Amino acid sequence: SQKIEQNSEALNIQEGKTATLTCNYTNYSPAYLQWYRQDPGRGPVFLLLIRENEKEKRKERLKVTFDTTLKQSLFHITASQPADSATYLCALGNQGGKLIFGQGTELSVKP
Amino acid sequence: NAGVTQTPKFQVLKTGQSMTLQCAQDMNHNSMYWYRQDPGMGLRLIYYSASEGTTDKGEVPNGYNVSRLNKREFSLRLESAAPSQTSVYFCASGTGEMLGSGNTIYFGEGSWLTVV
Repeated sequence: SQKIEQNSEALNIQEGKTATLTCNYTNYSPAYLQWYRQDPGRGPVFLLLIRENEKEKRKERLKVTFDTTLKQSLFHITASQPADSATYLCALGNQGGKLIFGQGTELSVKP
Repeated sequence: NAGVTQTPKFQVLKTGQSMTLQCAQDMNHNSMYWYRQDPGMGLRLIYYSASEGTTDKGEVPNGYNVSRLNKREFSLRLESAAPSQTSVYFCASGTGEMLGSGNTIYFGEGSWLTVV
């Protein structure tokens, strides 16, 4: 069955460092991959989308890579700030509109 | 624009009762989704509707039914609620675009459902 795995343990980093989150998947051939941010008690908020034929995407301090051979995406937040503390979710989508999520990784940025 | 609106925000049900979660979007989106979120489980797809008039099962459809009433509205029904359905439910909508800007998804604020 389709499976998406993210770091289950929380990631704790110091302010100003780069946070790197991992998303691995199996038994799936996604047309695109997305990253979301979720704060406690709120719905997820879309951050970035990268397609299967793209290797890297950037938006401000965010960078996403997508390796369809390794079946892996890396999500980087550079110059991290305490306000970046949240849970980050990756999601895989296909051409038919189906969109499934990983369980999320909690990021904590300490001042 | 309100975005994605879902009701109710909180609900307590007794085992065996039925209820419908309502969801509406005002962004003229093609695709709509219902997810449930449980601690440590992430978001699990219950049902989705890629376009008006179509619905498909997701990862955990058992015990639920959906209706894509029109392009704006996508409801989720629990026919006979069970304690295992205690969860936070999120409705979402997306542009459904595979080209161009891509399928950007917007979520509602969630519905907290407790089945006792």
